[in-house]
Amino acid sequence: RKEVEQDPGPFNVPEGATVAFNCTYSNSASQSFFWYRQDCRKEPKLLMSVYSSGNEDGRFTAQLNRASQYISLLIRDSKLSDSATYLCAVRTGGFKTIFGAGTRLFVKA
Amino acid sequence: EPEVTQTPSHQVTQMGQEVILRCVPISNHLYFYWYRQILGQKVEFLVSFYNNEISEKSEIFDDQFSVERPDGSNFTLKIRSTKLEDSAMYFCASSYDLGTGRETQYFGPGTRLLVL
Repeated sequence: RKEVEQDPGPFNVPEGATVAFNCTYSNSASQSFFWYRQDCRKEPKLLMSVYSSGNEDGRFTAQLNRASQYISLLIRDSKLSDSATYLCAVRTGGFKTIFGAGTRLFVKA
Repeated sequence: EPEVTQTPSHQVTQMGQEVILRCVPISNHLYFYWYRQILGQKVEFLVSFYNNEISEKSEIFDDQFSVERPDGSNFTLKIRSTKLEDSAMYFCASSYDLGTGRETQYFGPGTRLLVL
């Protein structure tokens, strides 16, 4: 089983749609969880950290389910500018961040 | 806003040659990292560095790789004898550890390395 696994994608959605990404992780000792956004040929940029209680930042909502070892990201009211690859990332103690392969999102007008 | 910088942005080298990739982390950060991303694949952790020593490394980070903080601002990744499979984007990152494990790692724009 892969350490961090994401929905295969790509997701093609119209502007204004709500889209959800899922991510599972294999190590139950994982402690920190993140969603990054990566534009083509650019560096990953932190979108949000994911806390046990769930957290929201504008149109973005992240959830963590430790029992199921599952993280989700919900994007509401999609914009053209949301088109990117979304990376799930997990840290298990230490400083090694393990990234998923990413899910590509295309938002079309 | 402070940012991580990397040089060069692109590097082309011959197989077997040594390359040094350079990074300037954010000035008050204490932890430094290198990641790589082979084209079309996921971002992979290589190494973390704190207090002038490696704190963690992956199985990718073999004897061909080394890191150094030669002065107060630069952080370098050296690949001694490059192989074709070293062709990738190399990202440097830094963080200021607050001890929570949730600290944000800020990534530089990357160096695209092509080994011929």
